Amino acid sequence: RKEVEQDPGPFNVPEGATVAFNCTYSNSASQSFFWYRQDCRKEPKLLMSVYSSGNEDGRFTAQLNRASQYISLLIRDSKLSDSATYLCVVKGFQKLVFGTGTRLLVSP
Amino acid sequence: DTGVSQDPRHKITKRGQNVTFRCDPISEHNRLYWYRQTLGQGPEFLTYFQNEAQLEKSRLLSDRFSAERPKGSFSTLEIQRTEQGDSAMYLCASSLADPPPSGQETQYFGPGTRLLVL
Repeated sequence: RKEVEQDPGPFNVPEGATVAFNCTYSNSASQSFFWYRQDCRKEPKLLMSVYSSGNEDGRFTAQLNRASQYISLLIRDSKLSDSATYLCVVKGFQKLVFGTGTRLLVSP
Repeated sequence: DTGVSQDPRHKITKRGQNVTFRCDPISEHNRLYWYRQTLGQGPEFLTYFQNEAQLEKSRLLSDRFSAERPKGSFSTLEIQRTEQGDSAMYLCASSLADPPPSGQETQYFGPGTRLLVL
């Protein structure tokens, strides 16, 4: 079993739609949680950290459920520019452990 | 540009050759990480340094791989006797240990070195 599991997609949505991604992690000792965004043939870039209390950054909302070891990302009012791969990331002691990523395609 | 830089951006080599990649972290960052990413997968951890000390190595890092950070600034990753299975994007990231109390340690990635072994 992979340490971080995500649905690879792709998720095809029209502009303006709301889309949700989920991931699960297996190491209950994990300390920090993130969503990174990766555009095709580019490096991953931090989208947002994820906290148990939930956090929001504009159209993006992230949530962590430690009991279920589950992380979510909600994107509201999707834009064409949101098309990318979204990587669920868990940090243990120092290293980051990445999921395979979920690909999002937003169409006009 | 004060972000993480990597050189070269692309490398094509023949099987059996040695290659070396360089990473320059963000200047005040004392931690430096190497990851490898293959098509359709997320990045996988290889190794990391705090200052000049290499503190952890993944089992993915076979004895053909060696990484150094001699002065605690830039780092090099060398692959000896390359194999076709080494073809991947090699990503470097840096971070600041002991961030402010309100913050989390955040790793910032460089643009990567894309390696193709023929």
